[in-house]
Amino acid sequence: KAGVTQTPRYLIKTRGQQVTLSCSPISGHRSVSWYQQTPGQGLQFLFEYFSETQRNKGNFPGRFSGRQFSNSRSEMNVSTLELGDSALYLCASSLVRVADTQYFGPGTRLTVL
Amino acid sequence: AQRVTQPEKLLSVFKGAPVELKCNYSYSGSPELFWYVQYSRQRLQLLLRHISRESIKGFTADLNKGETSFHLKKPFAQEEDSAMYYCALKGGAGTALIFGKGTTLSVSS
Repeated sequence: KAGVTQTPRYLIKTRGQQVTLSCSPISGHRSVSWYQQTPGQGLQFLFEYFSETQRNKGNFPGRFSGRQFSNSRSEMNVSTLELGDSALYLCASSLVRVADTQYFGPGTRLTVL
Repeated sequence: AQRVTQPEKLLSVFKGAPVELKCNYSYSGSPELFWYVQYSRQRLQLLLRHISRESIKGFTADLNKGETSFHLKKPFAQEEDSAMYYCALKGGAGTALIFGKGTTLSVSS
């Protein structure tokens, strides 16, 4: 079956702009988690959605938000971009629980200039 | 608070040498622990979880609640083991899966 897909794969934005990233989970998976990956901090948890509800949120400012649709697809939005938001944003899906095997997408590489 | 610490950013070993990637966690309850691996130009993927108590690609990891550790071990490293390894922890119900900062394993011949 198809893996987790993320679009777009690459994005270049300027400070102050906003961006929306999309994630399509594996068919049948209902939990979607988002992570920010940087060389210095590794993988940092952003949020997790299950059945269109945010189930958990990491320690990120309110500029980072997300949502999940009824078909389990998820989007995350970052408003008022800062240089420090440059990172690889990873989406992962799992059947029900985050402790179920998480399947990761290829990531969206965001560069903020 | 949940925390995962991987003290080594880089571990370099020779082919055939034993490998131990360290992982320490902070959590007051009974955690679920995992090792994820990312090979070059591949996606992050699950390597093993402590509840399975299985060996994957020759790797094993034992949960030591007394030392709050979940070190990943392999008796004889192979060049194809070179990758980034992440330890992850899931606490009780309603908690997120938290990752350590990762350790790069480099195996050379």
